[in-house]
Amino acid sequence: DVKVTQSSRYLVKRTGEKVFLECVQDMDHENMFWYRQDPGLGLRLIYFSYDVKMKEKGDIPEGYSVSREKKERFSLILESASTNQTSMYLCASSLEKYYGYTFGSGTRLTVV
Amino acid sequence: KNQVEQSPQSLIILEGKNCTLQCNYTVSPFSNLRWYKQDTGRGPVSLTIMTFSENTKSNGRYTATLDADTKQSSLHITASQLSDSASYICVVSAKTGFQKLVFGTGTRLLVSP
Repeated sequence: DVKVTQSSRYLVKRTGEKVFLECVQDMDHENMFWYRQDPGLGLRLIYFSYDVKMKEKGDIPEGYSVSREKKERFSLILESASTNQTSMYLCASSLEKYYGYTFGSGTRLTVV
Repeated sequence: KNQVEQSPQSLIILEGKNCTLQCNYTVSPFSNLRWYKQDTGRGPVSLTIMTFSENTKSNGRYTATLDADTKQSSLHITASQLSDSASYICVVSAKTGFQKLVFGTGTRLLVSP
């Protein structure tokens, strides 16, 4: 089974801090994604990557950046954390364009 | 506008009973529809995925149906168990260059003993 691992389950950071969320997948998938999930809003796409060093903005990229230096690793960066970035962050990967997403377990980030 | 609407928002059923969750979508052009189960505080886990030509697919006690004409899907859970308590998310993929997933906000199911 594909495994998508997010480095932290829970994270508490202060306003203005730079925050790194790490995601690693072990099945050589080309495509990786970062979502945030908020009550009543469902999952919203922040950024995605379809190859090493390639990145594309999703629906809500403001305040975030990403890095994909290796195929298996996709990092989400909050340059200066703000309280409105308190959320559940989910990483996902997929092999083919239109098929099979596998999600990580999520990182619940609280910005105080 | 591409949208996925799920109903009901929440549901409580007794252990052992059956239930059906609904998903209506207006995503175009349609590629596939997936149902995910998400336990509290965890990431979503795929239950089924259906393409345009498939109108039913089962995964154990979970059976999903798809009516591409009316743009409706349902997820039927048979003989519910306490471990079925979770949110169930309907996700529709639009075939637009790169896959564009449109997420419903989910149905929160509580199975009561």
